[in-house]
Amino acid sequence: DIQMTQSPSSLSASIGDRVTITCRASQSISSYLNWYQHKPGKAPKLLIFAASSLQSGVPLRFSGSGSGTDFTLTISSLQREDFATYYCQQSYSPPLTFGGGTKVEIK
Amino acid sequence: EVELVESGGGVVQPGGSLRLSCEVSGFTFDENTMHWVRQAPGKGLEWVSLINWDGYSTYYADSVKGRFTISRDNRKNSLYLQMNSLLIEDTALYYCAKDIGVGKLTDDAFDIWGQGTMVTVSS
Repeated sequence: DIQMTQSPSSLSASIGDRVTITCRASQSISSYLNWYQHKPGKAPKLLIFAASSLQSGVPLRFSGSGSGTDFTLTISSLQREDFATYYCQQSYSPPLTFGGGTKVEIK
Repeated sequence: EVELVESGGGVVQPGGSLRLSCEVSGFTFDENTMHWVRQAPGKGLEWVSLINWDGYSTYYADSVKGRFTISRDNRKNSLYLQMNSLLIEDTALYYCAKDIGVGKLTDDAFDIWGQGTMVTVSS
């Protein structure tokens, strides 16, 4: 099975900060990497698919990059509504696997 | 409007069974791969299972293989998860999710999610 490792597990940031979250796969997954935002009491929301494609309706401040084993989610200017937990997920092969999550908190 | 509504959760004893349902509307159900994803209390997201558009291809997480069975009824626009031999560690909020793939293709990313149904396994 492919293991996904996210870092950091949590971070504190201020409104307007640039935030970067990384995700590493235990083997090459090409660009089969997706990012989700999850807020308490809500359904998870797809932000980025295929490593760098922005899902419809997602603000342009979100971007994804990477291929192979190393990937990054960047929020260019953190907004209040972005405080949430973020997960990466590999779609290279079943069993599909998520990273452990990164909780973004207000500083 | 695209909507996924899960039901069937509840409290069950270890070793017991439950059947979850997910009723969908607002998209062409019989052209989409569907998934179940769960979140245990205080834990992260865990993919559980997928079923392709016609039900002939299924996959499972190692943690549920042999105990859970995914199925679908395209005439009823419904997805199911039969859960047998339940363990305490199966306690979680179970989400159904639509695959982002178009036209019977599977891309294994989840673009639409339900609100979840809670399963609690406890003696």
